Amino acid sequence: SQQGEEDPQALSIQEGENATMNCSYKTSINNLQWYRQNSGRGLVHLILIRSNEREKHSGRLRVTLDTSKKSSSLLITASRAADTASYFCATDNAGNMLTFGGGTRLMVKP
Amino acid sequence: DTAVSQTPKYLVTQMGNDKSIKCEQNLGHDTMYWYKQDSKKFLKIMFSYNNKELIINETVPNRFSPKSPDKAHLNLHINSLELGDSAVYFCASSPASLGLVEAFFGQGTRLTVV
Repeated sequence: SQQGEEDPQALSIQEGENATMNCSYKTSINNLQWYRQNSGRGLVHLILIRSNEREKHSGRLRVTLDTSKKSSSLLITASRAADTASYFCATDNAGNMLTFGGGTRLMVKP
Repeated sequence: DTAVSQTPKYLVTQMGNDKSIKCEQNLGHDTMYWYKQDSKKFLKIMFSYNNKELIINETVPNRFSPKSPDKAHLNLHINSLELGDSAVYFCASSPASLGLVEAFFGQGTRLTVV
């Protein structure tokens, strides 16, 4: 089974709106990462949050982490059509590999 | 310059054939990986390999074998291809201690077994 589970599986919003995606995981983690995948492309790293951090910002991205609930959220503010992609959370596994969730497919309508 | 490059980008082959996918990274990373992404977009780790150790995911059939001629290359060889092997395969690399840093992914190889 997947370590991370994203919610919702699909999200459709209008340009300018905010998009929130959630990720839940099962075991203790060292860090959690979010990646973006455009259609037909590889994954691109967005942001990493350490287990001792609660919130992190990068441009229009805001990530929160609640280790007590084993969950994280990714907020994209003022979305753009170019943000249309799939977004994945990933957790490290003893530093050897990343375990990914199923992803949230975001569509931003112009 | 492409950081992590995979070849071929598309691969169509018949059941029972043996095929290889090549991966090269020019980032000087110590660790490389192979992931499989199925039609529902789920990404599953297949192998993690660094200078010291090959970590095999126990759910991967032994028809799949990684081969690393040097630190910059990690190829994936697949024997006796099956229909269920159809997927997109991603190579990735990272410095050691992945938990502290990001992974860099290739563009993927779309394998179709007919």
